[in-house]
Amino acid sequence: VHLVESGGGLVQPGRSLRLSCVASGFIFDDYAMHWVRQVPGKGLEWVSGISWNSYASGYSDSVKGRFTISRDNARNSLYLQMDSLRPEDTAFYYCAKDPGPGYFCGGSSCYFDFWGQGALVTVSS
Amino acid sequence: QSVVTQEPSFSVSPGGTVTLTCGLTSGSVSPNLYPSWYQQTPGRSPRTLIYNADSRSFGVPDRFSGSIVGNKAALTITGAQAEDEADYYCVLYMGGGLRVFGGGTKVTVL
Repeated sequence: VHLVESGGGLVQPGRSLRLSCVASGFIFDDYAMHWVRQVPGKGLEWVSGISWNSYASGYSDSVKGRFTISRDNARNSLYLQMDSLRPEDTAFYYCAKDPGPGYFCGGSSCYFDFWGQGALVTVSS
Repeated sequence: QSVVTQEPSFSVSPGGTVTLTCGLTSGSVSPNLYPSWYQQTPGRSPRTLIYNADSRSFGVPDRFSGSIVGNKAALTITGAQAEDEADYYCVLYMGGGLRVFGGGTKVTVL
């Protein structure tokens, strides 16, 4: 399993940025996917998740209404569209694979089984 | 909304045993919150250790074990090694698709 994030960089407050995560080594469209972020020197925060077929998704309260998760199974890719960025959104953003297909937990497992290397987003003027 | 709690730090001697906990400010941790644990060393991505409270992820040494003790999830390192010095995070499923990380525990081996 290999997850590679891209699209990070420096952006001004109020502007937009789109992160991508390209997956390989597994059947991408069999699994839900997530974004997790980490402010440098601080803890981890779950940001958003999406089911295998994009029918279900969700967000943390801190990004709801500003960020949009999506996926393109034909391209083995996960995306995070980040709008109205704030300085507090500055963080490393990790793409993480779910061991199951669904966004809602209720089956046998609910966790993150593989992680990307992260992409740094810096929001500053 | 309940907050996920972890001890800020722990120190353990090489070869010693340490138990980290993961609780809720309101309520108890149970298997239906699907507790999981992750290890992170500086400059690295998180590594999955434990899922479903007590299942060890592939390739994780058996000195790492998970359980539910009382009203909290627990991660025990038995026979700590120098390479276990890291930050440890738990995650709980809070329903409605929401996953919540604890604040993390910094473990020092000395």
